[in-house]
Formats: sequence, structure tokens, C-alpha cells
Amino acid sequence: DQQVKQNSPSLSVQEGRISILNCDYTNSMFDYFLWYKKYPAEGPTFLISISSIKDKNEDGRFTVFLNKSAKHLSLHIVPSQPGDSAVYFCAASASGSTLGRLYFGRGTQLTVWP
Amino acid sequence: EPEVTQTPSHQVTQMGQEVILRCVPISNHLYFYWYRQILGQKVEFLVSFYNNEISEKSEIFDDQFSVERPDGSNFTLKIRSTKLEDSAMYFCASSDRGDRSSYEQYFGPGTRLTVT
Repeated sequence: DQQVKQNSPSLSVQEGRISILNCDYTNSMFDYFLWYKKYPAEGPTFLISISSIKDKNEDGRFTVFLNKSAKHLSLHIVPSQPGDSAVYFCAASASGSTLGRLYFGRGTQLTVWP
Repeated sequence: EPEVTQTPSHQVTQMGQEVILRCVPISNHLYFYWYRQILGQKVEFLVSFYNNEISEKSEIFDDQFSVERPDGSNFTLKIRSTKLEDSAMYFCASSDRGDRSSYEQYFGPGTRLTVT
């Protein structure tokens, strides 16, 4: 079951630069997308979300872009900071799911170095 | 800031034993979820719960699993007879709205279940 794919298991970025994390999905019924950040020994922490009626959502240093035709979304972090080092999960929810069951990707380990 | 809490943080049990994992969702939330993550794999949905009923469950959530909201604050996941393959990190999550405009779910720190 690979309905949400994060093809890059890791990403290394220098502090101050942009981090771009990518996510692809296959289920055309997905209409709500979320990014979570996870530190070791903690649960996923909600970062930012986007509805399929939008193509961009911004919150401070975090911006999510959605390309519905390509079934692709990305998370941009600008500027990247060492504290951003964590595993980032892309998640999606389908219309027809009563309470928003989330489908997760495998995650991308982001390392921000000074 | 309100948060979801889970106990215990780590549970070791023998195969065939029953375990109960406990969660206290954020107090004004009405929608509750359990997910699990087997080591090295992705986070997988188990079940969603609202108004004292299961709303949706995955194929993983078979008859060995049950959920309950025994009082106004706790939300539990019971595994009746644990198997080795139940070893995973179990996450509880809650949400304050189930409508289509907002689906943010807030996760607890997880319970690591080890079945020996």
C-alpha cells in the first residue's frame, strides 16, 4: 500500500538555506494533505496542512505547495535551522473517510547542519 | 499548551497476553484515533472513534483489538491476545473537528509495545 510516497529517505541542508521535501500520492480521492515533524521518542507534531482547493499554504518559515495534476506536494522550509532536523511525514486524507483517516508516507530525515 | 498523553511509554508483554494502552486526548477534542508504526515502516491507521462508536477501522484492526472511552478523559486500546507482530509504537491522536475543512490530528508521544 503505497498511496503516499516520500521517495527521499534523507535530505541534508546547510543552515539558512531552503529545505524542500517532496511527496507524491496516487489516490485521486485524497483532498486534504498534512505535514508532520517527528523527533526521536516523540509523536508526530502537526506542522502545516493544505486543502485540495488551494495550491499553496504558508505559515511562517513553512510553505506547502500542492500540484493536483501531478499528484505532488512539497514542503519548503526557509530559512532552515538546526532545530528543524527531524523526520518529516507527509499525510493525506480522502473524501469519503468519515473522520479523516490519515495515510502516511515513510518519512524523510532532514538534517540541517551549521 | 494542551497535549495528548499516553501511558505507559513502554510495555513489554508475552505473546498471548492482553495489553491495554491508555491515552488522554486533548480535553475539548471529540474525535479519537489510534495509529501504529512498526519499526522501519510507516505510520498506519488502526481506528477512529467518535461519540462512543468506532467510525472507521483498518484491516489491521481485527477482532483482537478493541477501543473504549471508559470515562470522560481516557481512551484505551486493548489487544486481547498479543502476537509477536503486534510489536510496534502505538500512537493515540485526537482532533477537535471532523468536518472537511480541517483535519489536523494531534498525536501523543506513543507507547512502545514489545511482545516477546
